[in-house]
Amino acid sequence: SYVLTQPPSLSVAPGETARVACGGDDIGRKSVHWYQQKPGQAPLLVVHDDSDRPSGVPERFSGSNSGNTATLIISRVEAGDEGDYYCQVWDSSSDHPVFGAGTTVTVL
Amino acid sequence: EVQLVQSGPEVRKPGESLRISCTTSGYTFTNFWIGWVRQMPGKGLEWMGVIYPGDSDTRYGPSFQGQVTISADKSISTAYLQWTSVRASDTATYYCARQVDRGIPFEFWGQGTLVTVSS
Repeated sequence: SYVLTQPPSLSVAPGETARVACGGDDIGRKSVHWYQQKPGQAPLLVVHDDSDRPSGVPERFSGSNSGNTATLIISRVEAGDEGDYYCQVWDSSSDHPVFGAGTTVTVL
Repeated sequence: EVQLVQSGPEVRKPGESLRISCTTSGYTFTNFWIGWVRQMPGKGLEWMGVIYPGDSDTRYGPSFQGQVTISADKSISTAYLQWTSVRASDTATYYCARQVDRGIPFEFWGQGTLVTVSS
């Protein structure tokens, strides 16, 4: 089964840029989706297909994907951006979606 | 407005049966996939399986095959996740989520159902 690797945590100061990494074998060939989950809430899709934003998601959220690493980029970080972020891809070999273990983003 | 509303929290003893639900509205139920995702306490997201209510095509993740049953009732636009015999390790929050297709991201999510299994 395909494995996605995320750092457990990341701290960033308000106004700075957070980069959340998601590693996988040749992940650049896959479409990567990102979910934000705040405590006690359901996940929310914030970026799909590497770098597209669903309607209503701030432009501060963007993404990139190349080689063996996909990255969620949160610009001008705000306190409200704190939470867990999960990457997800479709694993065609096992025919099901796979999630990364998640990264907790803390705003200092 | 697309909505997925899940049933309330459940408490069961080991060995008991359980069914939780995901009632949808705001779209044509039979045209989209509904997936189920488990989140154990303090842990990440795990895909359990998915159903296409249009023809009841159902797929399961390898860790969940034979452990749970996913079903849907088209007449009331509701999907279900059920256990015949729960275990303490089934304690988790369970989410339903809608997909346009199986390779597409989960665009809409239910609020989650907390299941607690304890003797």
